Amino acid sequence: AQKVTQAQTEISVVEKEDVTLDCVYETRDTTYYLFWYKQPPSGELVFLIRRNSFDEQNEISGRYSWNFQKSTSSFNFTITASQVVDSAVYFCALSGDYGQNFVFGPGTRLSVLP
Amino acid sequence: DAGVTQSPTHLIKTRGQQVTLRCSPISGHKSVSWYQQVLGQGPQFIFQYYEKEERGRGNFPDRFSARQFPNYSSELNVNALLLGDSALYLCASSPSAAGFQPQHFGDGTRLSIL
Repeated sequence: AQKVTQAQTEISVVEKEDVTLDCVYETRDTTYYLFWYKQPPSGELVFLIRRNSFDEQNEISGRYSWNFQKSTSSFNFTITASQVVDSAVYFCALSGDYGQNFVFGPGTRLSVLP
Repeated sequence: DAGVTQSPTHLIKTRGQQVTLRCSPISGHKSVSWYQQVLGQGPQFIFQYYEKEERGRGNFPDRFSARQFPNYSSELNVNALLLGDSALYLCASSPSAAGFQPQHFGDGTRLSIL
């Protein structure tokens, strides 16, 4: 069975601080895909990034970066120089090679204070 | 281009009633998935439809059913509503049913059961 764990329920930081959101996953599939989504107070889930199981390169996009490590089954998300607009619930999700029954983690609520 | 649209936005029902939720995917997207998001939790997979056929079903009772129409829009039906069915119901679309494709979510329908 697939499972995603986000151990941090809530995180509060002050604007301009760096923050890392943790994600640990479990799967028996050899090919799988990991995703991060952002859910602002408005409620819509916004896709941020996808990572394939066979590609362990880290990725940076502006203030966002992602660290994928198969050895520890982790896919962590770092926001550099956080801003108030980053305040949201962030979800890590896992998908197999066939079908889109995404398994979501419980989410981490990030509050960035001015 | 319009994103995923869901209707209605909010719905209030009483126990035992039936409800139909509607979803229009992004133009060109042939796969539609439904998720239930209880307050404070991550989305839980209910169904996936692709080319009008069911491709996946989550661990939900038979009171939940869905279908996809020739224009790729979809309906989710829930019969004999229970208090525990109160949740945000999210629809997501993607071009195909492949697991690597990110899903694009609508704003959701918030269902309240009294």
